[in-house]
Amino acid sequence: DAGVIQSPRHEVTEMGQEVTLRCKPISGHNSLFWYRQTMMRGLELLIYFNNNVPIDDSGMPEDRFSAKMPNASFSTLKIQPSEPRDSAVYFCASRPFPSGSSYNEQFFGPGTRLTVL
Amino acid sequence: QKEVEQNSGPLSVPEGAIASLNCTYSDRGSQSFFWYRQYSGKSPELIMSIYSNGDKEDGRFTAQLNKASQYVSLLIRDSQPSDSATYLCAVPSGANNLFFGTGTRLTVIP
Repeated sequence: DAGVIQSPRHEVTEMGQEVTLRCKPISGHNSLFWYRQTMMRGLELLIYFNNNVPIDDSGMPEDRFSAKMPNASFSTLKIQPSEPRDSAVYFCASRPFPSGSSYNEQFFGPGTRLTVL
Repeated sequence: QKEVEQNSGPLSVPEGAIASLNCTYSDRGSQSFFWYRQYSGKSPELIMSIYSNGDKEDGRFTAQLNKASQYVSLLIRDSQPSDSATYLCAVPSGANNLFFGTGTRLTVIP
């Protein structure tokens, strides 16, 4: 199994540009999560999907951020326009849909390191 | 009050010593707890989960849970330089999600 795949691994862009981050979850996993990690705020949940449907986007910082999951094997996180304060590592994670047990392991992708100049 | 609180460290221990990492949580109803390890520049990976009061051992790692005190800890025995990483405590948030602490950075000194 290839694990969660993210692209690009590194992105450097200028303020005002559009940024699109991509994620392929583990095959068979029904839940997908987007996180942002910074030194100051740690790991923050931005949004998560169950069966391609957005369930909770309360962590999305503002309207400049949007996420889609057009099918079970692909998701995007878009920032438009980007700002320097968006610089962070963005992780995608996936897990099987919960079946009533308390088990809750999320499998993380390698992350995308975004730098907005 | 944050849902999960951890001492950010850094915590330094000599090789072979016991490293003790601590976490407190605010939701008394939490039933499951997780420790993730994150090496510098890498993604978090699950190393321990615990659901019942008491201790759970897995190799050199022991998770300890005290629900009355809302406290969960991770002990690493015979610490190795390869254990140097940031350790994240996580508790469920709702039915499907996890809330992560900010992590404790551990350095094991050879």
